[in-house]
Amino acid sequence: DVVMTQSPLSLPVTLGQPASISCRSSQSLVHSDGNTYLNWFQQRPGQSPRRLIYRVSDRDSGVPDKFSGSGSGTDFTLEISRVEAEDVGVYYCMQGTHWPRTFGQGTKVEIK
Amino acid sequence: EVQLLDSGGGLVQPGGSLKLSCAASGFTTRSFNYYSMAWVRQAPGKGLEWVSTVSSSGGTTYYTDSVKGRFTISRDNSENTLYLQMNSLRAEDTAIYYCVRGMYSYDYWGQGTLVTVSS
Repeated sequence: DVVMTQSPLSLPVTLGQPASISCRSSQSLVHSDGNTYLNWFQQRPGQSPRRLIYRVSDRDSGVPDKFSGSGSGTDFTLEISRVEAEDVGVYYCMQGTHWPRTFGQGTKVEIK
Repeated sequence: EVQLLDSGGGLVQPGGSLKLSCAASGFTTRSFNYYSMAWVRQAPGKGLEWVSTVSSSGGTTYYTDSVKGRFTISRDNSENTLYLQMNSLRAEDTAIYYCVRGMYSYDYWGQGTLVTVSS
């Protein structure tokens, strides 16, 4: 199975400051079709997860442009340019290239 | 607007069975039978775990190793509904189960239905 390793697991951030979450995979996530199926999800307290980013850097409709994804191969990053109170929650990366699909452990973002 | 309505969860004894349903609606651009669908679960206080995926036609299915032989994913495209038949349930299957849309990524999630396996 492809292991997805996120860091840090806990991220205290000052309001208005940037935040960055790393996600590393144990194998390349480049699919045979040429796409890299690396996704980012946000789960606010008490809510279902919500997709933010797909295929490394494509932002979902309605997702603020303060969220951005980057990376390639086995090394990926989610960045939040200016953290607001509504960004508190757990962020997960997930690979959709290999079976079984696997998620990272989650990174808990909180306000310092 | 796309909506996925999960149902069927509850309290069941170890070794028991439960069938989850997910009623899909609001698929406007493409219909339900265009999309692969899946189940993802989350144990209390834990992270997300993919459980199973079914292709758009229902002809191909995938399972995580821990549920193979015990769970069966299926769909009724005439009713826009996804199912998960869960047999021989174990304590470690206790989780919120989410219905999700997609094969390589999950763009829509249900609200989740809680399955508790306990005596």
